[in-house]
Amino acid sequence: DIQMTQSPSTLSASVGDRVTITCRASQSVSTWLAWYQQKPGKAPKLLIYKASSLESGVPSRFSGSGSGTEFTLTISSLQPDDFATYYCQQYNSYTFGGGTKVEIK
Amino acid sequence: QLQLQESGPGLVKPSETLSLTCTVSGGFISSSTYYWAWIRQPPGKGLEWIGTISYSGNSYYKPSLKSRVTISVDTSKNQFSLKLRSVTAADTAAYYCARHVVCSGWPCHFDYWGQGTLVTVS
Repeated sequence: DIQMTQSPSTLSASVGDRVTITCRASQSVSTWLAWYQQKPGKAPKLLIYKASSLESGVPSRFSGSGSGTEFTLTISSLQPDDFATYYCQQYNSYTFGGGTKVEIK
Repeated sequence: QLQLQESGPGLVKPSETLSLTCTVSGGFISSSTYYWAWIRQPPGKGLEWIGTISYSGNSYYKPSLKSRVTISVDTSKNQFSLKLRSVTAADTAAYYCARHVVCSGWPCHFDYWGQGTLVTVS
């Protein structure tokens, strides 16, 4: 299985901050990667697919980049609704990263 | 608007079989553009893909679970189902059904999810 490692595991930030989350794959996944947002007690929500494509209805402050083994999710200006846990997921064997919890600073 | 809804027992005894059904509404399960998946999340932990099935019955399973898992589809009811045999406490989790988008002929990301159902093995 391809292993997905996210960093940091927890991130403290303030409203308006630029936030970057990293996801590393144990082997190349090309651009076959998605990002999800999950709030407590809720199902994950798709944000980004194919590494950099924004899912319909997702605010443009979310963006994704990367290819091969290193990927980033960026929130350009953190909003109150963005405090949540974020997961990456690769398309080869569908493994998810361990998650990054974005907390209020 | 597509909706997925999981149903099934919330409590299963150790060594027995966990059975869940996902009912799809607002769209048809019979599509070559989408497959259908089960994903689980133990309390306080991360997400784990269990398996995926096409409307025609082609299935893919996580290798470490393959010996215990069966996913089936019933197009006449617009439903797909999960059976996980010989469960232990380690199988306690929220179980989600999801639509698995097909990209260039291969399942890739999950774009619609059910609300999830907590299954406790005890």
